[in-house]
Amino acid sequence: DGGITQSPKYLFRKEGQNVTLSCEQNLNHDAMYWYRQDPGQGLRLIYYSQIVNDFQKGDIAEGYSVSREKKESFPLTVTSAQKNPTAFYLCASSMASYRLAKNIQYFGAGTRLSVL
Amino acid sequence: AQSVAQPEDQVNVAEGNPLTVKCTYSVSGNPYLFWYVQYPNRGLQFLLKYITGDNLVKGSYGFEAEFNKSQTSFHLKKPSALVSDSALYFCAVRDMSPSGTYKYIFGTGTRLKVLA
Repeated sequence: DGGITQSPKYLFRKEGQNVTLSCEQNLNHDAMYWYRQDPGQGLRLIYYSQIVNDFQKGDIAEGYSVSREKKESFPLTVTSAQKNPTAFYLCASSMASYRLAKNIQYFGAGTRLSVL
Repeated sequence: AQSVAQPEDQVNVAEGNPLTVKCTYSVSGNPYLFWYVQYPNRGLQFLLKYITGDNLVKGSYGFEAEFNKSQTSFHLKKPSALVSDSALYFCAVRDMSPSGTYKYIFGTGTRLKVLA
């Protein structure tokens, strides 16, 4: 899974609780992404960031929040507003978008979030 | 907006036989297409990409993909399947958001089962 570390591997959320998923990369990549994977739905983009201190909403951002204070780190918070958080969450990174030839994504091993 | 479609939820093939996993795309402009593989409870791994040039793209683990502009397809192929190729395969296309940043759109995935 390259130089991207996601933690924890498994996470349980109680009703009304916010939880934070960690994603760290040592690949010196500018861009980072969060995806949610549900069976039969493929990967859906939650948030993405091209540079530090900037990020954009993806297709399913409601109930989630992110920050990008450091190039290496892109944590995802699943808030209590996300009513159906049970899923497999994947973090990815890539080089800056203008470097077309290098523009593949590297993925972490994922975090499986369940609701208690 | 760009999109990709993987029409088959599952493909079964006997070990040693050729395999094909289908992907069609819909893009405005030049397509940037990718194939990734996912093993159980792991992140995605890059297999190959088409940016420009030859229509037959060679990738990792003996996989290749054929870009067909007239049929808007980017099918993944391998001449001789191995049991260890059994996994979930995703086709993806790079998309540009209204803000000018890049993101990736993934298909719903095709589960490949190679039977011994």
